[in-house]
Amino acid sequence: GQQLNQSPQSMFIQEGEDVSMNCTSSSIFNTWLWYKQDPGEGPVLLIALYKAGELTSNGRLTAQFGITRKDSFLNISASIPSDVGIYFCAGPPSGGGADGLTFGKGTHLIIQP
Amino acid sequence: DAGVIQSPRHEVTEMGQEVTLRCKPISGHNSLFWYRQTMMRGLELLIYFNNNVPIDDSGMPEDRFSAKMPNASFSTLKIQPSEPRDSAVYFCASSGSGTRQFFGPGTRLTVL
Repeated sequence: GQQLNQSPQSMFIQEGEDVSMNCTSSSIFNTWLWYKQDPGEGPVLLIALYKAGELTSNGRLTAQFGITRKDSFLNISASIPSDVGIYFCAGPPSGGGADGLTFGKGTHLIIQP
Repeated sequence: DAGVIQSPRHEVTEMGQEVTLRCKPISGHNSLFWYRQTMMRGLELLIYFNNNVPIDDSGMPEDRFSAKMPNASFSTLKIQPSEPRDSAVYFCASSGSGTRQFFGPGTRLTVL
């Protein structure tokens, strides 16, 4: 099946720094979703992208749908302690609609005091 | 508005016992998904329903796993008999007309 590769696996940063992470696939995705998961909770949807080249923001978060449709990027500006968590990219492998999602393995964000 | 509701939040059982996980999707959503999360394999889709009908159960690991959706507001995932390797966090998610899925808080299952 299709796989999503996220990098980096983990990030150790200082509060206030900007964060960049990405997600790549060997095949085309028509939708990219970014989720955040806090310990003991379910993933929470942050941003959804639907068109190649699309750039979408949600507060300090910005995500882009890669032109090739095989990658996506998530940036967090001026990180704060509550940004700690695991960030997942996801997409419907069969093209869209109400299909199950394929998830990446996640990027663990750790903010050092 | 209530989100996806799952119960129980935690379940500890012994190998060989039957386990039933429950999910109430967001009202008005017509698609429901069951996922499993482990350290080794991450988040994996088990099965999903559209309008209460199972569409794709290719992710269900074995015949020991079964899922039902008797109506639009309720679904169950059953494991019988349970095994230690079934220990994981099981998530239910729902969506309306589109790809945005909203997850419940999960059920942490431990099989001893």
